Amino acid sequence: NAGVTQTPKFQVLKTGQSMTLQCAQDMNHEYMSWYRQDPGMGLRLIHYSVGAGITDQGEVPNGYNVSRSTTEDFPLRLLSAAPSQTSVYFCASSRGQGTVYEQYFGPGTRLTVT
Amino acid sequence: SQKIEQNSEALNIQEGKTATLTCNYTNYSPAYLQWYRQDPGRGPVFLLLIRENEKEKRKERLKVTFDTTLKQSLFHITASQPADSATYLCAHLDSSASKIIFGSGTRLSIRP
Repeated sequence: NAGVTQTPKFQVLKTGQSMTLQCAQDMNHEYMSWYRQDPGMGLRLIHYSVGAGITDQGEVPNGYNVSRSTTEDFPLRLLSAAPSQTSVYFCASSRGQGTVYEQYFGPGTRLTVT
Repeated sequence: SQKIEQNSEALNIQEGKTATLTCNYTNYSPAYLQWYRQDPGRGPVFLLLIRENEKEKRKERLKVTFDTTLKQSLFHITASQPADSATYLCAHLDSSASKIIFGSGTRLSIRP
């Protein structure tokens, strides 16, 4: 089991560029989510999905798009990068929705927007 | 709005002592609360889950308590070791039951 994998590990973008952060899990988990982590702010939920074809917004969704065409993959798209999107991005998955289920996190993608 | 607060100041303690970290929540009473450990440059790792009807949960040297009256959870590491140095995060499900909210974490340093 690879668990939750994320690519790339590091990325530098110029303002206005777009890119996709990849996330995949091999545990057949229904629930997947994206967080960003900024110093002193903790983890903030961007988007989440309760299953293939179903996504919803989290706390800070502006500037990001997601889709979930398969159970395994949950990519996060930055439409037009802004310096405020400089952050560390974590993808997570769990068997279901809610804190009764532990979340498995990927290693993170460190994104810098200049 | 619902908030989950952890002491943002780092906690420094001597090896062998008990470390106690605090998680306070407001405007909501979660049914479950989770604790995670995060090492620098890595994603959080799940440690413990405690339910509102459980006063205490233990796992090896870890102990978590859940006081619904005080709206607080305490996380204890007994016989602490330098390897326990990390950031510890608490999390709960918000009232819509759709989003998990994390605290900002407390950095724990254990000195030999």
